[in-house]
Amino acid sequence: KAGVTQTPRYLIKTRGQQVTLSCSPISGHRSVSWYQQTPGQGLQFLFEYFSETQRNKGNFPGRFSGRQFSNSRSEMNVSTLELGDSALYLCASSLLPRTDNEQFFGPGTRLTVL
Amino acid sequence: TQLLEQSPQFLSIQEGENLTVYCNSSSVFSSLQWYRQEPGEGPVLLVTVVTGGEVKKLKRLTFQFGDARKDSSLHITAAQPGDTGLYLCAGVRGNTPLVFGKGTRLSVIA
Repeated sequence: KAGVTQTPRYLIKTRGQQVTLSCSPISGHRSVSWYQQTPGQGLQFLFEYFSETQRNKGNFPGRFSGRQFSNSRSEMNVSTLELGDSALYLCASSLLPRTDNEQFFGPGTRLTVL
Repeated sequence: TQLLEQSPQFLSIQEGENLTVYCNSSSVFSSLQWYRQEPGEGPVLLVTVVTGGEVKKLKRLTFQFGDARKDSSLHITAAQPGDTGLYLCAGVRGNTPLVFGKGTRLSVIA
């Protein structure tokens, strides 16, 4: 079956703009988590959605938001972009929201903020 | 403060050599996961260790969970160029989100 897909794969924005990233989980998976990966901080948890409800949120400012649709697809939005938001944004899906459930990662969206 | 410390950060070795990567914490985890991430891809789960002292083998890779469930190691025997990648450990504590280490970037030269 198809893996986790993320669109777009690459994105270049300027400071102050906003961006929306999309994630389609593996068919049948209802839990979607988002992570930010940078060389300095590594992989950091952004938020997790299950059945259209945010279950957990990481320590990121309110400029970062997300949502999940009834078909389990998820989007994350970053408003008022800053240079430090340049990162690889990874989406992961799992059957259930339990942390010990295996998560399957997408290839990520590489965001560059100029 | 990073909850999970991985060492070394970078490792460059010749094909055929052995290596060990470490993942250490002062916190106890209910389980620990190891991932490998290749350029342009997301991390892929290699193994989950659950019991203190547990050893799991995956072909040439051996994973160990510390007795106190605070640390783990990954040993690769006779490394091959295909082992090149970023190795990440991630800790599981109850239903809180996964905590990742910053990773060890391994380069195996033919």
